[in-house]
Amino acid sequence: GQQLNQSPQSMFIQEGEDVSMNCTSSSIFNTWLWYKQDPGEGPVLLIALYKAGELTSNGRLTAQFGITRKDSFLNISASIPSDVGIYFCAGPGNNDMRFGAGTRLTVKP
Amino acid sequence: EAQVTQNPRYLITVTGKKLTVTCSQNMNHEYMSWYRQDPGLGLRQIYYSMNVEVTDKGDVPEGYKVSRKEKRNFPLILESPSPNQTSLYFCASSFGANTGELFFGEGSRLTVL
Repeated sequence: GQQLNQSPQSMFIQEGEDVSMNCTSSSIFNTWLWYKQDPGEGPVLLIALYKAGELTSNGRLTAQFGITRKDSFLNISASIPSDVGIYFCAGPGNNDMRFGAGTRLTVKP
Repeated sequence: EAQVTQNPRYLITVTGKKLTVTCSQNMNHEYMSWYRQDPGLGLRQIYYSMNVEVTDKGDVPEGYKVSRKEKRNFPLILESPSPNQTSLYFCASSFGANTGELFFGEGSRLTVL
């Protein structure tokens, strides 16, 4: 099936720093999604991208749908402690949603 | 409140003792799915259901069963649990398989001794 390669696996940053993570695939996706999983919770959708080249912002979060449709990145600006969690990229397969392995973000106050 | 509810949230059991993890959604979603989350592996799909009485295998279906007799419920059944099924399980639902937003339950942490 379609594989999503997400990097980095983990990040340790200082509060206030910017963060960037990305996701690549060998297959084309028509939609890219970014989810966040807070500790002890299920993942929640942060941003959805539906068009190649699209750049979408949601507060301090910015995500882009790569022009080749095989990659996407997520940026978080001016990180705060509540940004802690695991971030997953995702893309729809035939009858399922494919997920990357996740980027675990730790923010030090 | 729109939600996906899983039970139990935590369970410790022994090898071979059948168990069921229930999942219920109140959003009238047609699509429901089960995932397991293991460190470094992300979310892997176990089974999914496109609608009532329509279920199919995901990437890691071995050792699991599901049923979809009603639209709102999608239980996950482990007939004879083994230690390699120790994991964090998530149920999710959406209007369709490829419509974008999956709504997840809070997770069920299962330990099989």
